[in-house]
Amino acid sequence: GQQLNQSPQSMFIQEGEDVSMNCTSSSIFNTWLWYKQDPGEGPVLLIALYKAGELTSNGRLTAQFGITRKDSFLNISASIPSDVGIYFCAGLSSRGGSNYKLTFGKGTLLTVNP
Amino acid sequence: EADIYQTPRYLVIGTGKKITLECSQTMGHDKMYWYQQDPGMELHLIHYSYGVNSTEKGDLSSESTVSRIRTEHFPLTLESARPSHTSQYLCASSEYTRLSTDTQYFGPGTRLTVL
Repeated sequence: GQQLNQSPQSMFIQEGEDVSMNCTSSSIFNTWLWYKQDPGEGPVLLIALYKAGELTSNGRLTAQFGITRKDSFLNISASIPSDVGIYFCAGLSSRGGSNYKLTFGKGTLLTVNP
Repeated sequence: EADIYQTPRYLVIGTGKKITLECSQTMGHDKMYWYQQDPGMELHLIHYSYGVNSTEKGDLSSESTVSRIRTEHFPLTLESARPSHTSQYLCASSEYTRLSTDTQYFGPGTRLTVL
């Protein structure tokens, strides 16, 4: 089956530092999504990428859809304590027609020291 | 902000009990999903539905069952809960559009503990 390799598995940074995480796969995806999950909560969509090569920003977050459609990265600039959480990449691939399957990476645990 | 709700948020029950986890969405999405997630781990799809009276099993085998009688409602049932069912259960919904393909939005989850 399809697999997403997400790295790093965890990061410990100081407040104000920039963060970068990425996902790679041997499979092609139609859409890349980045979610953040706080403990005990559901994943919240941060950024959605719909076209190969697309670069999208959402506040201090920037993400890119790789040109090969097999990878994506997420950058967080000037991190703050509330950035703490688990970040998941996810790729949408077609099941046929207008139906898609969402495959998740294993997540990056981000800790920000004030 | 996605309008998808799950109840209860937390549930602690004894072995052998029958339970139903509720999921509702007010966005009119045709598609709904159930995922199972252990703490700090990735999400695994256990059930999905592409519309009323449509349900399919996901990638991870589960002893739970689902029903989709109304568009907005996708409950998950465990007939006889066991400690191995202890996990977080996440509900999601989506609607295909040419712009957003099939982006999924998640509820807050139900943390189930079976003693």
